[in-house]
Amino acid sequence: ETGVTQTPRHLVMGMTNKKSLKCEQHLGHNAMYWYKQSAKKPLELMFVYSLEERVENNSVPSRFSPECPNSSHLFLHLHTLQPEDSALYLCASSQDGQGSDTQYFGPGTRLTVL
Amino acid sequence: QKEVEQDPGPLSVPEGAIVSLNCTYSNSAFQYFMWYRQYSRKGPELLMYTYSSGNKEDGRFTAQVDKSSKYISLFIRDSQPSDSATYLCAMSEVSGGSYIPTFGRGTSLIVHP
Repeated sequence: ETGVTQTPRHLVMGMTNKKSLKCEQHLGHNAMYWYKQSAKKPLELMFVYSLEERVENNSVPSRFSPECPNSSHLFLHLHTLQPEDSALYLCASSQDGQGSDTQYFGPGTRLTVL
Repeated sequence: QKEVEQDPGPLSVPEGAIVSLNCTYSNSAFQYFMWYRQYSRKGPELLMYTYSSGNKEDGRFTAQVDKSSKYISLFIRDSQPSDSATYLCAMSEVSGGSYIPTFGRGTSLIVHP
């Protein structure tokens, strides 16, 4: 399989549930990202990992917890979410996390919080 | 003022029309400018990438950057129904650190036969 894959593609959860989103990149990249895409709003960068170390955390609520066990895999652990967290969560990767890099996106996980 | 402004549309045009999509920005430190296309239920895919000012052409697509006006454009010639998608502009600063792009809201384009 090539590119950036994400599972699950759709997720419905209650506010008390705990779930995880998974991202895998098959491009040999060293940087991975989580974005949140809400209707009519710009893409919001949540987390950046470069060489498996988190280098950016854009003041994301602690109910979102990222994990990057290696340069090919990225997780987003979710717990006690709110309905306003319903959105499309996109994973991306790039070669080295530099300003000149091209980002490659996965298809996203459509999350609905009831 | 938002850092990147982009009209969300929708922009509806007939097949064969020339389409102009635009973004304005306020941060003069932006040096890398990108256009992404996002189809429904898919992630964004990079269309065009420009460093600093000038034009770049790739097939039916032309990207323009005017740093003096803080204005970037994407032109689509001979538009096709398959071009119907949301187009996102993105830009970033030159930095030796991590890549923190800033995105516009996206413009929804509909090309009808």
